Amino acid sequence: GDSVTQMEGPVTLSEEAFLTINCTYTATGYPSLFWYVQYPGEGLQLLLKATKADDKGSNKGFEATYRKETTSFHLEKGSVQVSDSAVYFCALSLISSGSARQLTFGSGTQLTVLP
Amino acid sequence: NAGVTQTPKFQVLKTGQSMTLQCAQDMNHEYMSWYRQDPGMGLRLIHYSVGAGITDQGEVPNGYNVSRSTTEDFPLRLLSAAPSQTSVYFCASSPGVGNTIYFGEGSWLTVV
Repeated sequence: GDSVTQMEGPVTLSEEAFLTINCTYTATGYPSLFWYVQYPGEGLQLLLKATKADDKGSNKGFEATYRKETTSFHLEKGSVQVSDSAVYFCALSLISSGSARQLTFGSGTQLTVLP
Repeated sequence: NAGVTQTPKFQVLKTGQSMTLQCAQDMNHEYMSWYRQDPGMGLRLIHYSVGAGITDQGEVPNGYNVSRSTTEDFPLRLLSAAPSQTSVYFCASSPGVGNTIYFGEGSWLTVV
């Protein structure tokens, strides 16, 4: 079945450090790929997405490129801030006949940024 | 624009009690779904709906019922709560065209 594998956390970085959170996927079709962020005590917010191979999603300084050849969608940010501390989820969505746009999630990566 | 609204935000139940988690969206989305979030497991799909009057099971449907009598509302019912249902529950919706899924703020449920 479809699955998403994320880099295990927790990840602790100093402010202004470079961030990479690895994400790889397995899917039977051509998925759309997403990164969601969950701040403490809040729900999930869409951070960025990419819908086809070689697309780059970007938002708030975060970037991720849809790599079909390596089935990856790694999240990167050049300089993290304390306010980026959150749990990050990689997810994929496949659309098949008669089904909803459901998300398959990775297990989440806890990021803590220290001042 | 309220987006996806879930109530209640926090709830404590005793084993065997029943309750309904409410979910409403004001974006006229066709697709709605319920997920549960457990530590180290990401979010898992419980039930989903592709439109009013149509529902189907997700990955972990046991112990939960849903209905979709209107486009706006998608309540999740726990008929007889069990401690294994202690979790954070998220309702989500998405439009018929395009593939961005919007989440509610979550409902923290504890079953004792």
